[in-house]
Amino acid sequence: EAAVTQSPRNKVAVTGGKVTLSCNQTNNHNNMYWYRQDTGHGLRLIHYSYGAGSTEKGDIPDGYKASRPSQENFSLILELATPSQTSVYFCASGHRENERLFFGHGTKLSVL
Amino acid sequence: GEQVEQLPSILRVQEGSSASINCSYEDSASNYFPWYKQEPGENPKLIIDIRSNMERKQIQELIVLLDKKAKRFSLHITDTQPGDSAMYFCAASDGTNTGKLTFGDGTVLTVKP
Repeated sequence: EAAVTQSPRNKVAVTGGKVTLSCNQTNNHNNMYWYRQDTGHGLRLIHYSYGAGSTEKGDIPDGYKASRPSQENFSLILELATPSQTSVYFCASGHRENERLFFGHGTKLSVL
Repeated sequence: GEQVEQLPSILRVQEGSSASINCSYEDSASNYFPWYKQEPGENPKLIIDIRSNMERKQIQELIVLLDKKAKRFSLHITDTQPGDSAMYFCAASDGTNTGKLTFGDGTVLTVKP
């Protein structure tokens, strides 16, 4: 089973602070994704990447940046966190387009 | 971008009966339709998927139907068990093969013993 590891699992941040969520995959997958999950909204795509050095905007990118420094690592950065960014964030990886995604166990972020 | 509507949002069935979840999409170029199951506190896991060159796919008690003309697809769980209780998400691919998936809002399935 492919492994996707997220850290931290829980995070409490203050409004206006900087938050970095990290994701690591050891599957040698090309594609990585960041989703957020809110009650009533399912999973919404924030940013994604096709490989090291690449980042693309998803459907809800405002207020977020992404960084893919290597094949294995993909970070989500909130430069100025706001309470509306309180959510559960999932990282996922996939070998290629239109193939199975493997999700991490999520990061629960609370912005106070 | 793609929009996916999923219904119902809540589904309660008796053990041993069938459960059906329906999804519709807007982009006629979408060609990949996965279904994910998420148990409480866990990550979503793929349970079955179907591509646009198929109309029906079955894996054990899971059946997926795809109607491309109507832009609808559905998941049917036959002979439901308490272990099938979970959140289920449908998704549709971006028609430009970017790998982007648009998810429905989810269905909470409860199977009553």
